[in-house]
Amino acid sequence: GESVGLHLPTLSVQEGDNSIINCAYSNSASDYFIWYKQESGKGPQFIIDIRSNMDKRQGQRVTVLLNKTVKHLSLQIAATQPGDSAVYFCAEGPGGYNKLIFGAGTRLAVHP
Amino acid sequence: DGGITQSPKYLFRKEGQNVTLSCEQNLNHDAMYWYRQDPGQGLRLIYYSQIVNDFQKGDIAEGYSVSREKKESFPLTVTSAQKNPTAFYLCASSPRTSGKNIQYFGAGTRLSVL
Repeated sequence: GESVGLHLPTLSVQEGDNSIINCAYSNSASDYFIWYKQESGKGPQFIIDIRSNMDKRQGQRVTVLLNKTVKHLSLQIAATQPGDSAVYFCAEGPGGYNKLIFGAGTRLAVHP
Repeated sequence: DGGITQSPKYLFRKEGQNVTLSCEQNLNHDAMYWYRQDPGQGLRLIYYSQIVNDFQKGDIAEGYSVSREKKESFPLTVTSAQKNPTAFYLCASSPRTSGKNIQYFGAGTRLSVL
């Protein structure tokens, strides 16, 4: 999920397949991580979060994996649906009332 | 209907003009944030406020100003000093939760220069 300016990295998947969206974070001191979904022309929508004392957390059809050794975060979406098509952002932060630092995003395109 | 309301949805600015973007929340959240999003890019923090009558600069505060006179309101003014204001502006709020920072976003305001 690294920024390439105007051209977001795109992940294309078939409907029903599993999707894995990756994110490399920058600050080894970050202890809180969060994923958002943004549909075109709308505000970001919270999906799932994870604290650094965990390496996996599951939600409904989504799983977030955290590898602190290599500073890597991933979002897995099971049985991807057309409604999952959007831009996905990861964000990192020290937790609490502090800033979140957002990545540039990855576009997920789901094909029937 | 609880949530974060941004207005207007679209806004046009003339040269040398200041414009103000509205953000209101009825979620009783303490913290509020303003972000700027350019096409194909992530969100960049302009200003944030953790409590009424207090706010801090984010990463790109130059050319912008804010106020936080009420808990539910955090308006953003784009001043004439901001030479490239065309962007999608997003307001967010978050509750005081230990160890977490789930920010809830409004629908955004798209600002263009005439």
